[in-house]
Amino acid sequence: GESVGLHLPTLSVQEGDNSIINCAYSNSASDYFIWYKQESGKGPQFIIDIRSNMDKRQGQRVTVLLNKTVKHLSLQIAATQPGDSAVYFCAENLKAAGNKLTFGGGTRVLVKP
Amino acid sequence: DTEVTQTPKHLVMGMTNKKSLKCEQHMGHRAMYWYKQKAKKPPELMFVYSYEKLSINESVPSRFSPECPNSSLLNLHLHALQPEDSALYLCASSQDRGNRGQWEQYFGPGTRLTVT
Repeated sequence: GESVGLHLPTLSVQEGDNSIINCAYSNSASDYFIWYKQESGKGPQFIIDIRSNMDKRQGQRVTVLLNKTVKHLSLQIAATQPGDSAVYFCAENLKAAGNKLTFGGGTRVLVKP
Repeated sequence: DTEVTQTPKHLVMGMTNKKSLKCEQHMGHRAMYWYKQKAKKPPELMFVYSYEKLSINESVPSRFSPECPNSSLLNLHLHALQPEDSALYLCASSQDRGNRGQWEQYFGPGTRLTVT
């Protein structure tokens, strides 16, 4: 079946550097994508979303890029901070499946001081 | 208030016990969700309620029984669970799902369930 996946399970980054987390999706019918951050012992926290009619969306220190040609989604975190250490999940929404969110496998980001 | 609360935080139960997980939100959201998350895995959808009606059941075993008493509350009744049901159970809510597409889901902190 079609699914959302990630290229890198763990990403180590130096404090102050930029982080890029990648996500591949295979269902071209997906119409909405979300990035979530999950810290240890907590529920997923919304970071940023993007709809399929957009290529880029910026938030505070974060940018999501959507490349529908190659079905690729990325999350860029500028000036990574220790508080950014967490597991990051991308999730896709498929309207045809009843607007259900399907989560990707997750990437752990470790910020080194 | 963008908070989803869940109780209890931790729950240990035997395979013959009956227990309930509770979830509450006061954001006026009309869609509420239960997810199951195993260690080092992404959340997996179990149930969706839309306007207090069950709209999606992802083929969840009947030992899990959801209930939505009103638009702010969501329960998950547990009975005769198995050790493999041990996981983090997450509740989420969002605005009306409807045909307008997906809305951002707000997650609670989860209930860590251990079945012995």
